[in-house]
Amino acid sequence: DVKVTQSSRYLVKRTGEKVFLECVQDMDHENMFWYRQDPGLGLRLIYFSYDVKMKEKGDIPEGYSVSREKKERFSLILESASTNQTSMYLCASSFRARADTEAFFGQGTRLTVV
Amino acid sequence: GQQLNQSPQSMFIQEGEDVSMNCTSSSIFNTWLWYKQEPGEGPVLLIALYKAGELTSNGRLTAQFGITRKDSFLNISASIPSDVGIYFCAGQLGNQGGKLIFGQGTELSVKP
Repeated sequence: DVKVTQSSRYLVKRTGEKVFLECVQDMDHENMFWYRQDPGLGLRLIYFSYDVKMKEKGDIPEGYSVSREKKERFSLILESASTNQTSMYLCASSFRARADTEAFFGQGTRLTVV
Repeated sequence: GQQLNQSPQSMFIQEGEDVSMNCTSSSIFNTWLWYKQEPGEGPVLLIALYKAGELTSNGRLTAQFGITRKDSFLNISASIPSDVGIYFCAGQLGNQGGKLIFGQGTELSVKP
């Protein structure tokens, strides 16, 4: 079974803190994604990585950065957390160059910034 | 950014009823995917569609990839209480190496 694991289910952080969200996948997928989920807005892509050290901005990258030093791990970084970054964060992974490119998701991290 | 228009946003139905939801886009997609998310969990893939016109079933679920490649629908027949959740469509653009765009979601409530 494909497994995408996010390091925390729930996090509470203070405004201004630097926050790291970690994601690990065990299927040798090239692609990894970070999405943010808010009610009524669906899943919005923050960043996308298609290879080690490669990244592309998604639709809402402001206030976030990412790191992909190893193929299996993709980290989302909130440089200085703000209350409007309170949300559910979802990591996903998929193959890049195959016809069956469905993405598999982690269980999500619910982040609250106070 | 690019977005899919998914409707309806929410549905309240009686157990046993059939359900239909759809997604449309101004862009042409190579792949359409349908996911279900239960409370507190990440989305789980239900059905994947890879060819225009393709009709695929998974138990009581049926999904189709529109001929124009700009739309897809998902039907659930004879709904049961465990169908409750948020259903998302997702489309993959052909020239972006697997990048997936998601709809806003359809929240389904089933009354026993």
